Amino acid sequence: KQEVTQIPAALSVPEGENLVLNCSFTDSAIYNLQWFRQDPGKGLTSLLLIQSSQREQTSGRLNASLDKSSGRSTLYIAASQPGDSATYLCAVKGAGNMLTFGGGTRLMVKP
Amino acid sequence: ETGVTQSPTHLIKTRGQQVTLRCSSQSGHNTVSWYQQALGQGPQFIFQYYREEENGRGNFPPRFSGLQFPNYSSELNVNALELDDSALYLCASSLAGTGAGETQYFGPGTRLLVL
Repeated sequence: KQEVTQIPAALSVPEGENLVLNCSFTDSAIYNLQWFRQDPGKGLTSLLLIQSSQREQTSGRLNASLDKSSGRSTLYIAASQPGDSATYLCAVKGAGNMLTFGGGTRLMVKP
Repeated sequence: ETGVTQSPTHLIKTRGQQVTLRCSSQSGHNTVSWYQQALGQGPQFIFQYYREEENGRGNFPPRFSGLQFPNYSSELNVNALELDDSALYLCASSLAGTGAGETQYFGPGTRLLVL
């Protein structure tokens, strides 16, 4: 059974810092890994999707990497802003057409 | 191109009642997945529908059931509601068979409170 873990569970940083969110998964037989953002009480917004054959994806200030063999992914946020405050979720897609999510990292960027 | 929409946004029910949640998929998408997200946790996969057939199911009891219609919209039905069913229910649509990673696009969710 796939298990996804995100560390840390919560993070508070001052504006302008570069930061790294971590995601690990137990079964390396995945099709892709996706990072989402969730604002309080809202749905999920897809940030980046990395195919199992890829190593990384970039979008603006965000960069996500994937090391499938070790079961790890990182989301790098450069020059953090207060508007980046949200919960960040990673999810892997495996067999059964389902996404398995981690518990999320709650990020607070202080002005 | 319209996004994924869900109705209602909020709902309060009592134990033992039944509830139906609705989802309209993004234009052109043929697959709908449902997730349950308890407070402070990540979403848990309930099931997926592809072309009106169930196409995968998570670890949820049979009182969680669904439908997908010819226009690819979907319903989630929960019978005999329990207190632990209180959660945010998320619907996600995608286009199967694109070979492009099948990004799932999520709706805003329905928050269900069971008293």
